[in-house]
Order: sequence, then C-alpha cells, then structure tokens
Amino acid sequence: DAGVTQSPTHLIKTRGQHVTLRCSPISGHKSVSWYQQVLGQGPQFIFQYYEKEERGRGNFPDRFSARQFPNYSSELNVNALLLGDSALYLCASSFGDRGYEQYFGPGTRLTVT
Amino acid sequence: KQEVTQIPAALSVPEGENLVLNCSFTDSAIYNLQWFRQDPGKGLTSLLLIQSSQREQTSGRLNASLDKSSGRSTLYIAASQPGDSATYLCAPSGAGSYQLTFGKGTKLSVIP
Repeated sequence: DAGVTQSPTHLIKTRGQHVTLRCSPISGHKSVSWYQQVLGQGPQFIFQYYEKEERGRGNFPDRFSARQFPNYSSELNVNALLLGDSALYLCASSFGDRGYEQYFGPGTRLTVT
Repeated sequence: KQEVTQIPAALSVPEGENLVLNCSFTDSAIYNLQWFRQDPGKGLTSLLLIQSSQREQTSGRLNASLDKSSGRSTLYIAASQPGDSATYLCAPSGAGSYQLTFGKGTKLSVIP
C-alpha cells in the first residue's frame, strides 16, 4: 500500500510570494495534519482536518491556511512568504481524528529567499 | 501548554550496546504517545504508539514504556545496529486536543 505522499519535494520561493503544498493520505485515512519543522527543532503543529472540517489549529499566523477535499487529500497554503517560513513541511494521516497512530509523509522542503 | 524534553540531545554508542532514550512531558493529561525516528532531511517513521492506559509497548528490538502520572516515557533499543542511527522523537497527544507535541529529539549514532 502507498504511504502518505507529498508534493512537491522541494520548492524555492521569493519573499512575499504564495505557496501551495499538497498531501495525499494513506488510503482509508480520513484525517490529515500539517506540521512545520525548522532545522534543528521538532515538528510544530499547524492544522488538523478530519472529514473536511478543521479540528485543530496551532499557533501560526493567518497567512497559513489549509483545506481538505472530498477524497481526503489536503492543501496547505502560505501567503506573503517570509524568510522564517523556510522549513520542512510535513503531512501526517491517520484513520480517525484522535487516538490513532499517525503516519508521516516525506515532507516538502520550502526555501524562501 | 504541553512541553516535551528529550535527554540526551545526542548519544554515541558502539554497535551491539543496549540503550535508553528519555522523554518527559509537562502535562500528564495525554491521550497517547508516539515514538518516531527521523533520518536527515526525511519524514518521520512511526516506531511505537502507546495508549495512555498502557504501560509498555514492544516492537522487535524496541520497547517503549509510559508513566503518565510522572510525565515520562522511555525508549529502549536492544542490541543497537549502525542502521539505528537517526534522530528519535517522542510526541504525546493531548487529551483535549488533536495535535502531537514534539521535543527536539535525541540524535543517536551507532558506531560499527
């Protein structure tokens, strides 16, 4: 079975631009979460979606938004990029909204110049 | 706010040695706790999930314990191998929230 997939693998953007990152969960999983991992730190929670509804939001500015589609795939959007947004963005999927094992994708490496 | 601390930050051991990685968390009201490994520049690989009602969970050479009341978890790796070299992260899931909270991890190097 395919694991969690993310696209693109790498991305270079300029300050002020907008970026969209994509995630496809494991087949049968209905929950998708997004995390940001800055170099040398553990991942930080950004959003969780379950059955297309937002179930949790971390301490990130409104420049960050996300959505989940009927096929349970998800997009993370970041507007007005800052240098500090450079990070590895990780997507995780799980069967349900809480208490289930979370499986992570390979991540998207975003570099903002 | 949940805070997670992992000690030591880095560990270097000779191949074959048994080792213990420590994780502590400030809010004991957790739903479960997961241990992950991360290879440089890669995503996270789930190793073990312990529910809050469990004390231990085992998978192969790995054994994780959980003491929820004291806010501690340990990951025991038996007979370490060079392929075990990675950063190990623990992440409790809050009882009132859906998110995993991560520490900075322990970077393990197993020397052949």
